[in-house]
Amino acid sequence: EAQVTQNPRYLITVTGKKLTVTCSQNMNHEYMSWYRQDPGLGLRQIYYSMNVEVTDKGDVPEGYKVSRKEKRNFPLILESPSPNQTSLYFCASSLVTSGSYEQYFGPGTRLTVT
Amino acid sequence: SQQGEEDPQALSIQEGENATMNCSYKTSINNLQWYRQNSGRGLVHLILIRSNEREKHSGRLRVTLDTSKKSSSLLITASRAADTASYFCAKIRLSGGYNKLIFGAGTRLAVHP
Repeated sequence: EAQVTQNPRYLITVTGKKLTVTCSQNMNHEYMSWYRQDPGLGLRQIYYSMNVEVTDKGDVPEGYKVSRKEKRNFPLILESPSPNQTSLYFCASSLVTSGSYEQYFGPGTRLTVT
Repeated sequence: SQQGEEDPQALSIQEGENATMNCSYKTSINNLQWYRQNSGRGLVHLILIRSNEREKHSGRLRVTLDTSKKSSSLLITASRAADTASYFCAKIRLSGGYNKLIFGAGTRLAVHP
């Protein structure tokens, strides 16, 4: 089954404790992206990747890191989480070559930083 | 700033009624997409309309695009309780040499039995 998976689905952590949210897709998509969703603000892009070893900042990259060592994986790293990073996070992927940029979303990771 | 702003922010209707949601944008687009999100879940792609198309149908969904007014609408006909969800429009914008997907804040639709 074609899908985007994220782990963990729920995470409660404390300020300053490094964490990684994993994202994996099995559709051989070139493009992958991370979004955060906060009430009233819609989805805001954190980082994106056009292909392996090609990443760039989105609209709200501060406090986050990413890497793209393999085509299927795109982990999101919070080196020193803070309470303002409490949010619902989504990973998404799409084919670049199709031209439509239809994105496939993971199920989301609800992060709480205390 | 966000582009692809939806209107209304929230919509409450009875089963069987039609639901119309609107989306406006500021700059030219290649295509515009509509997504659906059930509470706390990931977004699911519903329909894509290209800039050279004016109307598109998919089952009970009808999407229109008016590039002169920079707006799109999503119509759900004969709504069902299962249509209760948030609906987002997303437009492609060329940014930094690649096509970026810009989401609006969404319309929350509640369909009551």
